[in-house]
Amino acid sequence: QQQVKQSPQSLIVQKGGISIINCAYENTAFDYFPWYQQFPGKGPALLIAIRPDVSEKKEGRFTISFNKSAKQFSLHIMDSQPGDSATYFCAASREYGNKLVFGAGTILRVKS
Amino acid sequence: DTEVTQTPKHLVMGMTNKKSLKCEQHMGHRAMYWYKQKAKKPPELMFVYSYEKLSINESVPSRFSPECPNSSLLNLHLHALQPEDSALYLCASSQAQGTDTQYFGPGTRLTVL
Repeated sequence: QQQVKQSPQSLIVQKGGISIINCAYENTAFDYFPWYQQFPGKGPALLIAIRPDVSEKKEGRFTISFNKSAKQFSLHIMDSQPGDSATYFCAASREYGNKLVFGAGTILRVKS
Repeated sequence: DTEVTQTPKHLVMGMTNKKSLKCEQHMGHRAMYWYKQKAKKPPELMFVYSYEKLSINESVPSRFSPECPNSSLLNLHLHALQPEDSALYLCASSQAQGTDTQYFGPGTRLTVL
């Protein structure tokens, strides 16, 4: 119940294309869903986060779509750029629980 | 300023050595975390400090010993490590314990020979 399943493991997208990464969770107590971006040799950096009271959140080229009934959320990267090439982790946590449960990660490569 | 700093960047140690990792934040955050990350894997939580008190210990072996001297500093003392402990050690902080954004440092790349 604590797992967050992330897919795909790796993704290759052409420059200008849309990158889509999906995550699914079991624990209905989760109420905070962040996405982290990690470049090689660096720590993860928060990209965007959503709470279950909204179905979509957009920040620049990055959009989270959230489906509470299906217990799924996804990251869309519009107009993908080579600089977006990184590993992306979805995560989930519950209020007062403090523990972030991470997905396995997706290695994104954007070809120029 | 959302910066978490970690020193050293790289550390190589033998199995009999004692060393320490240091983490610092000046954002006024009251929760601080240690994570371990192996290559191509997500970060794994090790310890959580909330208001300078140990809040969560994820059953980490005693050869890892955390310390929170004050609200801005977090140390991880290492002793008698094993080669399988080689990993990227990440520090993070958040405003408080709960569903707050966690800000990660750049990590310390540890190699145990």
